[in-house]
Amino acid sequence: GAVVSQHPSWVICKSGTSVKIECRSLDFQATTMFWYRQFPKQSLMLMATSNEGSKATYEQGVEKDKFLINHASLTLSTLTVTSAHPEDSSFYICSVQGGLLVGNTEAFFGQGTRLTVV
Amino acid sequence: SQQGEEDPQALSIQEGENATMNCSYKTSINNLQWYRQNSGRGLVHLILIRSNEREKHSGRLRVTLDTSKKSSSLLITASRAADTASYFCATRGGGYQKVTFGTGTKLQVIP
Repeated sequence: GAVVSQHPSWVICKSGTSVKIECRSLDFQATTMFWYRQFPKQSLMLMATSNEGSKATYEQGVEKDKFLINHASLTLSTLTVTSAHPEDSSFYICSVQGGLLVGNTEAFFGQGTRLTVV
Repeated sequence: SQQGEEDPQALSIQEGENATMNCSYKTSINNLQWYRQNSGRGLVHLILIRSNEREKHSGRLRVTLDTSKKSSSLLITASRAADTASYFCATRGGGYQKVTFGTGTKLQVIP
């Protein structure tokens, strides 16, 4: 299956600063990647769909100006949390999911990034 | 929004017992997957079952799918303390449709 590398695995930042999280698909060209957020003791909620070469699609309630997504190549998508606040502290996970061309495949997830805003 | 709901929310069993978790979803799907997550860690893919399949096995795992009832179950047989984790079902429609997760079941296996 696809190998998805996410970096960093954890980060602590000061309130008001920005944090960039990288998601790399190491052996799979991903035109689409997905970003999820998971608050403590909760399930994973889809934040946005990252589309290579075009704008990301955000889920309802997710601020696109706060969570900037860039998908500049088939192997890299980045999520930047701008002007982070303590309520943005969460576990962020990216995913690569096969589409029609690669058949009915599972989703592959990065290791996740634990963001703590102090 | 959440696609699936799982029950129970939490399950505590003795080592060696079987654990059953159920997942219900709302819309038609292409496939359903089960994932495991240890506390604060990433996701581990357990098993995928396609919409035209009714049952699938993988080691100590048995998954069933009933598309008419829009439900699935995950059975872990002969549980071990190391099975302690949260388990999520995730559903997906066709094409590039996103994978959406259920609410999860927190399983505790007591040695």
